[in-house]
Amino acid sequence: GAGVSQTPSNKVTEKGKYVELRCDPISGHTALYWYRQSLGQGPEFLIYFQGTGAADDSGLPNDRFFAVRPEGSVSTLKIQRTERGDSAVYLCASSYAERNTGELFFGEGSRLTVL
Amino acid sequence: GEDVEQSLFLSVREGDSSVINCTYTDSSSTYLYWYKQEPGAGLQLLTYIFSNMDMKQDQRLTVLLNKKDKHLSLRIADTQTGDSAIYFCAGTGGGNKLTFGTGTQLKVEL
Repeated sequence: GAGVSQTPSNKVTEKGKYVELRCDPISGHTALYWYRQSLGQGPEFLIYFQGTGAADDSGLPNDRFFAVRPEGSVSTLKIQRTERGDSAVYLCASSYAERNTGELFFGEGSRLTVL
Repeated sequence: GEDVEQSLFLSVREGDSSVINCTYTDSSSTYLYWYKQEPGAGLQLLTYIFSNMDMKQDQRLTVLLNKKDKHLSLRIADTQTGDSAIYFCAGTGGGNKLTFGTGTQLKVEL
């Protein structure tokens, strides 16, 4: 597609449930990022993929969070045993890693609400 | 890691200039960025500046970088109601990931 696509756009779940959020990056972009944005805050880095591998997962808050990108394109962010504090907008971005400017192209985000 | 700070809110009249300020801690960022976020939308890159420059002009936008003071600013000339949004500055701190500020909400009044 023309831009970064994220699904679902909205997800409401109950505390303790498992959630998957999907990101389809711009075709040809080798780098993919997940960020989390809480209300009134700037985006907070979670994980960065270069191709299929996670090059930097230092932002994942704990072991309930996991992300994969098995074929180097679509990525899935997985959250186990969701907690109310996980409620946020989860943003995905992609880029040409080789470009010096490092511009990131963001999707519109998946809003997660944990009741 | 990089820390990026911004003032939270700015209100201007339509037609005036807006100046949004940002301070950062890590001077190793090769580029520094300004992103715009409109309600319900993803972040959009507005402009960026290479770290060895002190000014960049792009139509109504002027970016000023003071590396000594680790201060970045975005000036929007002739501010319009369509410029109302949240503006984030961001840097890479020498790595691959962007660290964003808390965002400045710009409100443009008629």
